[in-house]
Amino acid sequence: DTGVSQDPRHKITKRGQNVTFRCDPISEHNRLYWYRQTLGQGPEFLTYFQNEAQLEKSRLLSDRFSAERPKGSFSTLEIQRTEQGDSAMYLCASSLELLNTEAFFGQGTRLTVV
Amino acid sequence: DQQVKQNSPSLSVQEGRISILNCDYTNSMFDYFLWYKKYPAEGPTFLISISSIKDKNEDGRFTVFLNKSAKHLSLHIVPSQPGDSAVYFCAASGYRGSTLGRLYFGRGTQLTVWP
Repeated sequence: DTGVSQDPRHKITKRGQNVTFRCDPISEHNRLYWYRQTLGQGPEFLTYFQNEAQLEKSRLLSDRFSAERPKGSFSTLEIQRTEQGDSAMYLCASSLELLNTEAFFGQGTRLTVV
Repeated sequence: DQQVKQNSPSLSVQEGRISILNCDYTNSMFDYFLWYKKYPAEGPTFLISISSIKDKNEDGRFTVFLNKSAKHLSLHIVPSQPGDSAVYFCAASGYRGSTLGRLYFGRGTQLTVWP
């Protein structure tokens, strides 16, 4: 297993366009998380799944954002009608459903909205 | 509201010396704490963690100390090496008895280890 994989690594889009990112977690991990990181900040939680169920969503996840994990394996994060403020690094992580375990992060997708 | 705070945005240490990175938290319900290291253009990499039932955890050159009464933790790196130069994030999770969920991150400390 090569770890958490995110695609694409970089995305430049015009304001108002829709974008979709994909995350493939570590295969045996049933929890999958999305975070967003902007310059000078730590990662901010967006949402997470246990298998295909979305267990928690942050207030940061506005109506323009939607995340899915339809078969409990890979996940997609879609941003509709992108705004310049959406420019950030979008990080995906996965973990086992355990006490005192760690989340493993992918390399992220860098989104630039022009 | 920042529940995990790293008040030092940067730290510069000479190779071979000790690096001490600090982190404070406000939510007494947190019971699991993690440190991540991040290089530019990469995702965070897990470094070391500590449960609230312990006050110290050691892994090679890395030791994390937890002071629950002060809601403070620190990461010690001894000896520091140039390859340790990165941004270090403190993160907190959990409510007692719960499995890993969302992580609350600090803003990070840029560590620079010079020869």
